[in-house]
Amino acid sequence: EAQVTQNPRYLITVTGKKLTVTCSQNMNHEYMSWYRQDPGLGLRQIYYSMNVEVTDKGDVPEGYKVSRKEKRNFPLILESPSPNQTSLYFCASSSAGGGEQYFGPGTRLTVT
Amino acid sequence: KQEVTQIPAALSVPEGENLVLNCSFTDSAIYNLQWFRQDPGKGLTSLLLIQSSQREQTSGRLNASLDKSSGRSTLYIAASQPGDSATYLCAVYNNAGNMLTFGGGTRLMVKP
Repeated sequence: EAQVTQNPRYLITVTGKKLTVTCSQNMNHEYMSWYRQDPGLGLRQIYYSMNVEVTDKGDVPEGYKVSRKEKRNFPLILESPSPNQTSLYFCASSSAGGGEQYFGPGTRLTVT
Repeated sequence: KQEVTQIPAALSVPEGENLVLNCSFTDSAIYNLQWFRQDPGKGLTSLLLIQSSQREQTSGRLNASLDKSSGRSTLYIAASQPGDSATYLCAVYNNAGNMLTFGGGTRLMVKP
């Protein structure tokens, strides 16, 4: 089944404790992105990747890192999480730039 | 900077009605436009993707139109059903096809 998977689905952590949210797709897609969704602010793009080793900033990249060492994986790294990064995070992939985006189920992160 | 607006923010209709959801965007230099559905606490499901050169796309009871020059798209849902209750989001790609900007969504409730 074609899908985008994220782990963990739920995470509660404390300020400053490094964490990684994994994202994997099995559709051989070139493009992958991370978004965060907040009440009143909607969905905003954090980072995107056009292919292996090619990444770029979205609208809200501060406080986040990404890497794309393999085509199927695109982890999101929070090196020193803060409470304002409490949010619902989505990973997505598409076969090409501007192509139909397929979203993962989301990761709900709470930073206390 | 691209801004995407969806009107109305919420809509409640009786089952069987035909309805129209609106999406407007400020920068007409878009690559394409995508409509999504989001159920509470869930990820986004792609409904329709309209290329910038297209005027409309259809899938089952859904029809989406695009008027790029006026910065508008509409999603038409025919013969609405309670199962259509969800939040509907439109999103536009920038001209490079690498940045996706979302509207705030329309929360639809279809009453039996």
